[in-house]
Amino acid sequence: DQQVKQNSPSLSVQEGRISILNCDYTNSMFDYFLWYKKYPAEGPTFLISISSIKDKNEDGRFTVFLNKSAKHLSLHIVPSQPGDSAVYFCAASAWSGNQFYFGTGTSLTVIP
Amino acid sequence: DVKVTQSSRYLVKRTGEKVFLECVQDMDHENMFWYRQDPGLGLRLIYFSYDVKMKEKGDIPEGYSVSREKKERFSLILESASTNQTSMYLCASSTNPGTGVNSGNTIYFGEGSWLTVV
Repeated sequence: DQQVKQNSPSLSVQEGRISILNCDYTNSMFDYFLWYKKYPAEGPTFLISISSIKDKNEDGRFTVFLNKSAKHLSLHIVPSQPGDSAVYFCAASAWSGNQFYFGTGTSLTVIP
Repeated sequence: DVKVTQSSRYLVKRTGEKVFLECVQDMDHENMFWYRQDPGLGLRLIYFSYDVKMKEKGDIPEGYSVSREKKERFSLILESASTNQTSMYLCASSTNPGTGVNSGNTIYFGEGSWLTVV
């Protein structure tokens, strides 16, 4: 059963606007969440993470929000740039384990 | 910077061949992973290893085996390749979580190996 879900397979956004990518999880033991970006024919690269003791973490144009009660996190990209066009994966892990659980990915297209 | 290196970027193999995919990491990470990525299915875990000579099945281990003889090296083996194993294979590594809750760790990926089985 999929413990981390990304329900939007794709998203298109105009350059300069905000991109919001969503992720839901089911396991309340998860306490660390990560976002990865993947270009075609390359491996995923780490983008940003958040611990469950926080509800927001920022790094430049990227901000991740965590709503523990709703078991939901989102990645905001502002402003969006054409180079942001990629597949974005969210992932979750629990401090007691050494596994990572990935969503199925959202393909973001930023239109110039 | 963490470096995870996969030995082959592109391979074409025949059905029934034995295939080896090699992966090396240079950060002394305890954990290593093999995933495959297929369109619409995301990243699916095949096997992982949390120590030398240790292995655990992931979500889709059938048709695969692994070997970890040294801490830095994790090999994925397709004993008898089949066309449904055509995919992108991703190796990754991570440390163990820090002590206590919210001591998260990060998983680092290699560049990927595109395998086509004909």
